Amino acid sequence: GEDVEQSLFLSVREGDSSVINCTYTDSSSTYLYWYKQEPGAGLQLLTYIFSNMDMKQDQRLTVLLNKKDKHLSLRIADTQTGDSAIYFCAESMDTGRRALTFGSGTRLQVQP
Amino acid sequence: GAGVSQSPSNKVTEKGKDVELRCDPISGHTALYWYRQSLGQGLEFLIYFQGNSAPDKSGLPSDRFSAERTGGSVSTLTIQRTQQEDSAVYLCASSVRRGDEQFFGPGTRLTVL
Repeated sequence: GEDVEQSLFLSVREGDSSVINCTYTDSSSTYLYWYKQEPGAGLQLLTYIFSNMDMKQDQRLTVLLNKKDKHLSLRIADTQTGDSAIYFCAESMDTGRRALTFGSGTRLQVQP
Repeated sequence: GAGVSQSPSNKVTEKGKDVELRCDPISGHTALYWYRQSLGQGLEFLIYFQGNSAPDKSGLPSDRFSAERTGGSVSTLTIQRTQQEDSAVYLCASSVRRGDEQFFGPGTRLTVL
């Protein structure tokens, strides 16, 4: 079955890099996503990666995918206080409904 | 342009009452999804619409839950005889087509007393 796991909490200092990790179990996952949720706001898609890619970089964000270990990570360079939020990884398959299966979310706290 | 909107933003109800939650997707989006975010279960899929039909209802937790979509646009999620375990934030998302980026609404926070 589908299962996505994340650590619950991460605290970093402003200016440092943050690395949020995620593991998934469904080897048929085709798309892997990172979403950001700020208090009182909806989910915002940050970035995504296809399962045939190892890395994707988008400005301060770097996504690494280790398909063998089913491990996904999101690195945020030069973390700012505005990056404080809950980050969800999610997966979907290339067939069927393409609904998202989410991890439990990692709360990132950025200390000034 | 307008994003996905949901109403009400907050709903407090008594156990046993029925509630209706509304989702207005982005105009032209054919795919619509309902998810539920609760403390114990995280974010979970409920139901998927393609146009007005729901080919996948597998995430609905019980037969007290139903949903419909009309005109290929607005969707309503109905919960009958609400229970305290139904308390959660109900999120709606839409995409141009199945598999495209899903845009999420702000959610409806349901509290069942």
